[in-house]
Amino acid sequence: DSGVTQTPKHLITATGQRVTLRCSPRSGDLSVYWYQQSLDQGLQFLIQYYNGEERAKGNILERFSAQQFPDLHSELNLSSLELGDSALYFCASSLNRGETETQYFGPGTRLLVL
Amino acid sequence: GIQVEQSPPDLILQEGANSTLRCNFSDSVNNLQWFHQNPWGQLINLFYIPSGTKQNGRLSATTVATERYSLLYISSSQTTDSGVYFCAVPMNRDDKIIFGKGTRLHILP
Repeated sequence: DSGVTQTPKHLITATGQRVTLRCSPRSGDLSVYWYQQSLDQGLQFLIQYYNGEERAKGNILERFSAQQFPDLHSELNLSSLELGDSALYFCASSLNRGETETQYFGPGTRLLVL
Repeated sequence: GIQVEQSPPDLILQEGANSTLRCNFSDSVNNLQWFHQNPWGQLINLFYIPSGTKQNGRLSATTVATERYSLLYISSSQTTDSGVYFCAVPMNRDDKIIFGKGTRLHILP
């Protein structure tokens, strides 16, 4: 158990809908990262937050947004969902800004868009 | 943009064998990570290794930044080593992290 929790574990929804994925980092970790893993795109880094502020942005679509709250949990919002958004979404956390730190991964949220 | 290539794409070995996984990258990087994704999907960050060699138990990694490659060594493989191994590099300019397609390792009992 990495100490990172993600909810829900599974999510099935329809095209055009909006969903929110939630991540709670390990106790004391200030950085949260979001990743997407799909069959056609592989693993992709989406975004990193450090202590409530966006720190690094990857291949995150404009239909997607994220935030980190004062209690350091993070949410990833996916809107106007398309079939191609079906994927496994991972959250990870690290102690500080993360340049040379170990990232601890949650179990992922599996999203299926029908 | 930067390209990350991993080889071999698949590797099947008997338990107890040693293996070497390779990651080539097309541009200079200031860091490199190796990850393991087990057959149940759990991702584990193995190493941050911008250069030099690091060891953690039966696993070690070496990055030769000037020649733009990194190697992950697994000695005395166990069935629990099965899964997919990814390397990832950050793009220096814009903090995006680029992943390779992975090496799928099967360790047979």
